[in-house]
Amino acid sequence: AQTVTQSQPEMSVQEAETVTLSCTYDTSENNYYLFWYKQPPSRQMILVIRQEAYKQQNATENRFSVNFQKAAKSFSLKISDSQLGDTAMYFCAFAANFGNEKLTFGTGTRLTIIP
Amino acid sequence: NAGVTQTPKFQVLKTGQSMTLQCAQDMNHNSMYWYRQDPGMGLRLIYYSASEGTTDKGEVPNGYNVSRLNKREFSLRLESAAPSQTSVYFCASSESGTLAKNIQYFGAGTRLSVL
Repeated sequence: AQTVTQSQPEMSVQEAETVTLSCTYDTSENNYYLFWYKQPPSRQMILVIRQEAYKQQNATENRFSVNFQKAAKSFSLKISDSQLGDTAMYFCAFAANFGNEKLTFGTGTRLTIIP
Repeated sequence: NAGVTQTPKFQVLKTGQSMTLQCAQDMNHNSMYWYRQDPGMGLRLIYYSASEGTTDKGEVPNGYNVSRLNKREFSLRLESAAPSQTSVYFCASSESGTLAKNIQYFGAGTRLSVL
């Protein structure tokens, strides 16, 4: 069974600063996918970024990037030039490949951007 | 473009009552999912449907039933609600049967309280 751990329940950062959210996971799978989802106060879950385990290059989406360390089973999210709209819960999630439908989520990190 | 629509948004039940949570997607997705979200925990998969006419148990299926009515709709039924089922319920859908290409799109959630 897979587990996903987010060790930072809450974080806060000044607007325009950079913040990094941590995520570690445990799996015996070799091929899998990792995700960061954002849940703003509206409750809507929104995909921020996705990483395929067989790709060594770290994924980036505008101000969002990941640091994927496969050997260490670490998958952190870096938000650059943080904005007030980034205030949300952030969930790290794991999914195995080969038809496994299940997303396993971490417990989330509540991020607050301070004006 | 509605995406994934869940009804109702809020519901209060008494212990022992039954109800059905409705979910519909307009993206022509094959796969649909039901999750629950509890405080201090990530989303946990209740049931999923890889395609019309098929359903499978997730991590926490006890106390729930599902119906994949057609390609668009996937309902979650609580036959005899219990206080332990107080939670926020999310429906999601994705394009294909594996995560190789798809992304899960989420509805806005249903907040259910069982007294």
